[in-house]
Amino acid sequence: AQTVTQSQPEMSVQEAETVTLSCTYDTSESDYYLFWYKQPPSRQMILVIRQEAYKQQNATENRFSVNFQKAAKSFSLKISDSQLGDAAMYFCAYRSPYGGATNKLIFGTGTLLAVQP
Amino acid sequence: DAGVIQSPRHEVTEMGQEVTLRCKPISGHNSLFWYRQTMMRGLELLIYFNNNVPIDDSGMPEDRFSAKMPNASFSTLKIQPSEPRDSAVYFCASSEMANGYEQYFGPGTRLTVT
Repeated sequence: AQTVTQSQPEMSVQEAETVTLSCTYDTSESDYYLFWYKQPPSRQMILVIRQEAYKQQNATENRFSVNFQKAAKSFSLKISDSQLGDAAMYFCAYRSPYGGATNKLIFGTGTLLAVQP
Repeated sequence: DAGVIQSPRHEVTEMGQEVTLRCKPISGHNSLFWYRQTMMRGLELLIYFNNNVPIDDSGMPEDRFSAKMPNASFSTLKIQPSEPRDSAVYFCASSEMANGYEQYFGPGTRLTVT
C-alpha cells in the first residue's frame, strides 16, 4: 500500500523569504500523480500544484515549485517570496493513475506553515 | 464555475439522530469523492463514485454510514444513528476524469455530534 509522510508538523518563515516543505512517499508503482494542497483556516482544500511521475521536469506555479526526486521518492514544495496569505496547513498527496479502487488520494499528515510579518 | 457545493456548512446534532450531508459536484465532472478529516486520522476517503456508481466504499466506517448518488449533479452522505465519534469535517470532491485529473474539493461540512 502507498504511504505519504510529512515529517515537519510545523514550519515558520519570514515574509518575503523562501521555505521548503518536505514530503516523502512509498510506492511500488512506476507511474503516479503527486499533489500539494493548501488548507487555510477557512478549511477549504485548495490545489497548489501537481506533478506527474513520468515527467522529469519539476512543476512550477508562480511562487510555488516542487523538487521531485523519483528515485528518492521525495516531493518537496518550495514557496518563494512568502506572503501572509500563504499561512495554512499544507498536505502532500499521492494518487495512482489507475481507476477503480486505487483512484483515491492518499494524504500525508500535513505541515502547518506560519508566516511572520 | 461555482465549484463543488456542500450543505450544510455546519451541523450540530445529538447522538442517535440521523444526519444527511449533501454535495453538488462541478458540472461535467464524472467522479465524486467523500472524505473525512479528523485530528486523529487526518484525511481519509470514505467512498468514491464514478458515473454515479459506487466504485470503492472500503473507507466507510460501518453500516451506520451510507452514500448515494442518484444523478450526476447530486450526492448524499447519511449517518444513522450518529455518534460523537462521527464528529469531523466531511469533504466532497469531484474530478473530470477517473484516471487523469485532479480533485477539486468543496468547502466541507463541520459535523458535531453531542
